[in-house]
Amino acid sequence: QSALTQPPSASGSLGQSVTISCTGTSSDIGGYNYVSWYQQHPGKAPKVLIYEVTKRPSGVPDRFAGSRSGNTASLTVSGLQAEDETYYYCSSYAGSNNLVFGGGTKLTVL
Amino acid sequence: EVQVVESGGDLVKPGGSLRLSCAVSGIPFSDAWMSWVRQAPGKGLEWVGRIKSKVAGGPVDYSAPVKGRFTITRDDSKNTLYLQMNSLKSEDTGVYFCKWETSPFYGLDVWGQGTTVTVSS
Repeated sequence: QSALTQPPSASGSLGQSVTISCTGTSSDIGGYNYVSWYQQHPGKAPKVLIYEVTKRPSGVPDRFAGSRSGNTASLTVSGLQAEDETYYYCSSYAGSNNLVFGGGTKLTVL
Repeated sequence: EVQVVESGGDLVKPGGSLRLSCAVSGIPFSDAWMSWVRQAPGKGLEWVGRIKSKVAGGPVDYSAPVKGRFTITRDDSKNTLYLQMNSLKSEDTGVYFCKWETSPFYGLDVWGQGTTVTVSS
């Protein structure tokens, strides 16, 4: 399986919104309702923000929202805060018990 | 609270072997589906493989780069997951994370803090 495609970087101003895309194929993102988004601060373990495309785990602020259109999933971060500046990764079930990740996006808060 | 703690990372020469461990607490480990994910220095996340619970059964799944070299096993009596890595290459260098999967299709999960493997002569 090929990695999912994410933009290497994204940016937004404090208090504004930013959307990060994650493009796959009909064999992964477009074929299953199992897209997740992770936040990872340098030197730390990834933390799940969104799972099953749109669901938020308990404790994750509703400023984080997931969506999907066709073979592309998106993570929207609203009301940007300084602590949101870090790395974000998408993942998707890819069939045959396999999991595929995106290359990651570095979010800068201006 | 679920806790996942990896250990065993080390410096190893190319061609060498290493076994990583992942201790899990806070859940009935024998029912847990567990995965390994790695991250090369400065790079993104890469799925390594997954083992299902014994009840679920079935083969262990591996990514193409590690299939035939890495083996995932579990000892339910010790609440511990293992990753046996053989024929190590420089490109296997990175942080190895263990995670508890709450869904057979991946999704809501709990990660350990990772353990570092360096393959270098």
